Amino acid sequence: EVQLVESGGGLVQPGGSLRLSCAASGFKFNINWMTWIRQTPGKGLEWVATINPGGNPIYYVESVEGRFIISRDNAKSSLYLEMNSLRVEDAAVYFCATAREYGFGDYWGQGTLVTVSA
Amino acid sequence: QTVVTQEPSFSVSPGGTVTLTCGLSSGSVSTDHYPSWYQRTPGHPPRTLILETNIRSSGVPDRFSGSILGNKAALTITGAQADDESDYFCVLYVASGFWMFGGGTKLTVL
Repeated sequence: EVQLVESGGGLVQPGGSLRLSCAASGFKFNINWMTWIRQTPGKGLEWVATINPGGNPIYYVESVEGRFIISRDNAKSSLYLEMNSLRVEDAAVYFCATAREYGFGDYWGQGTLVTVSA
Repeated sequence: QTVVTQEPSFSVSPGGTVTLTCGLSSGSVSTDHYPSWYQRTPGHPPRTLILETNIRSSGVPDRFSGSILGNKAALTITGAQADDESDYFCVLYVASGFWMFGGGTKLTVL
């Protein structure tokens, strides 16, 4: 059974940092593209970042470029999202999901909530 | 700025057929945009329905189908059921290494 389990969300002040993790199991993580997607009440679903199975190339939505870093550890079947200089508008539920070179994939995690507030 | 457009809401009768569409403010949608479709029910993560225009995701019944209709991507649901009542989102690959979600369609089954 495919499982994607996110962790690391929480409350952080504007300007702060958080590191999200996604533990994958039940499929060949090391050959899958992976992605982070977020959902906010006001803006709906938004693609955040995508990473190739080997770690390169990496793509980001413009609003997080330079602040967020997506990475992966294929030996641990884990995906990460390092979030720096967080803004109020980054508050969302963050989902990790499998992906393909030109889109998203079949499987999603349950999501982890990030709250950015003073 | 490019916007991915979806009908804000739609309704269908139980057993009926409905087609939701996904367009681009800047032009036509084609298979080169690799359109995909997702179902989002409150309290649950998104569920992948259709990938790359018309590939059904694992476990998705064949009541759900994807296509290109005219200049838009389309999701057709046949034999609508009560538990199809949900929000439906499309995603388009709009540029190299850039994906964009539509605003979603709230489907009511009544």
